[in-house]
Amino acid sequence: AQRVTQPEKLLSVFKGAPVELKCNYSYSGSPELFWYVQYSRQRLQLLLRHISRESIKGFTADLNKGETSFHLKKPFAQEEDSAMYYCALKNAGGTSYGKLTFGQGTILTVHP
Amino acid sequence: NAGVMQNPRHLVRRRGQEARLRCSPMKGHSHVYWYRQLPEEGLKFMVYLQKENIIDESGMPKERFSAEFPKEGPSILRIQQVVRGDSAAYFCASSPSDYRRIYEQYFGPGTRLTVT
Repeated sequence: AQRVTQPEKLLSVFKGAPVELKCNYSYSGSPELFWYVQYSRQRLQLLLRHISRESIKGFTADLNKGETSFHLKKPFAQEEDSAMYYCALKNAGGTSYGKLTFGQGTILTVHP
Repeated sequence: NAGVMQNPRHLVRRRGQEARLRCSPMKGHSHVYWYRQLPEEGLKFMVYLQKENIIDESGMPKERFSAEFPKEGPSILRIQQVVRGDSAAYFCASSPSDYRRIYEQYFGPGTRLTVT
């Protein structure tokens, strides 16, 4: 069964410090991973996906198949990055290929 | 495009009553997903529907819960004979009909159900 683990429920850093939100997964096939973000009083929204290898709002995430990880990183955190972050794994096979399995989420707080 | 709409935003039910949660997907989206977020927990997949079809309901409790996405109108998540443990935030998401973009799930604001 596929699973996504975000080991840190809470993460606090100071503005300008590097930040890394951890995500590990277990999946037997070829994984497709995403990071979603929910800012205060806003909807959950897609932040980035591993396939595109893009940087959004300064965040990047590299898929490491050897370590089964997809950690989200930003070299210099900003206060506006404070939010709940979810790592998600897409079910790539079968009929339910649209289904996402989410991790438990990490609340990031960036202090001034 | 107004985005995914959910109503009501807040719903209070007494134990034993029925709860009906509605979700209108984004225009042009034919895939709908329901997720539940219990207090202090992450999002848990419940059910995945396309128009008039349930594709995957592996996350739905076996009893009291049902979902539909009719040809016309919103998707409905129905909880019969609610219990206190059903208190949670229920989120709906939709994704484009284009299977290449099916990973792009757009979320609604959620319905917060409180069972008293």
